[in-house]
Amino acid sequence: GESVGLHLPTLSVQEGDNSIINCAYSNSASDYFIWYKQESGKGPQFIIDIRSNMDKRQGQRVTVLLNKTVKHLSLQIAATQPGDSAVYFCAENQRGSYIPTFGRGTSLIVHP
Amino acid sequence: EPEVTQTPSHQVTQMGQEVILRCVPISNHLYFYWYRQILGQKVEFLVSFYNNEISEKSEIFDDQFSVERPDGSNFTLKIRSTKLEDSAMYFCASTLTQRTTNTGELFFGEGSRLTVL
Repeated sequence: GESVGLHLPTLSVQEGDNSIINCAYSNSASDYFIWYKQESGKGPQFIIDIRSNMDKRQGQRVTVLLNKTVKHLSLQIAATQPGDSAVYFCAENQRGSYIPTFGRGTSLIVHP
Repeated sequence: EPEVTQTPSHQVTQMGQEVILRCVPISNHLYFYWYRQILGQKVEFLVSFYNNEISEKSEIFDDQFSVERPDGSNFTLKIRSTKLEDSAMYFCASTLTQRTTNTGELFFGEGSRLTVL
């Protein structure tokens, strides 16, 4: 069935580098996308979202890019810090639904 | 900063027993959710609740599960006759609106770990 998924299960970077976490979705009915960060032992925390009528949205040190043509979503983290180490989930809302469907997650490891 | 709180943080129970997981959503929020996360896997939607009734539920949320808002602050998930495969982290979440004016951001609690033996 259609689902949200992630290309890389683990991403290791050096402190100060930029990180890019990718997500593929296959449900063309999705019109709202969210990135969540989950630190060890905690619940998911909202990072940034984007609606399908946009292709880029920027926050503080984070940028989300949406490519609807290839159904691809990415999260860019600038100047990655050790505190960014966590599991990152992309989630999608299908049009008409208010329930985020989570992907499997990518573990980001930042080395000092 | 307001937050969603969950109790207990960890519960161990015997197979076949009933458990109740409790959540206190953010006080002015209107929409409430339960998700679960089996260790190392993705976060799965169970149920959403609004205006004192279930608004959506997933295939996972069968007759074994029920939710209730017994008073103005608590939101509970009851799991009857627990099975080994119910072992997971259960997250409660709340939000003020559903994408009407805000981002639709869900605020999650820190979770209740359920271990069924």
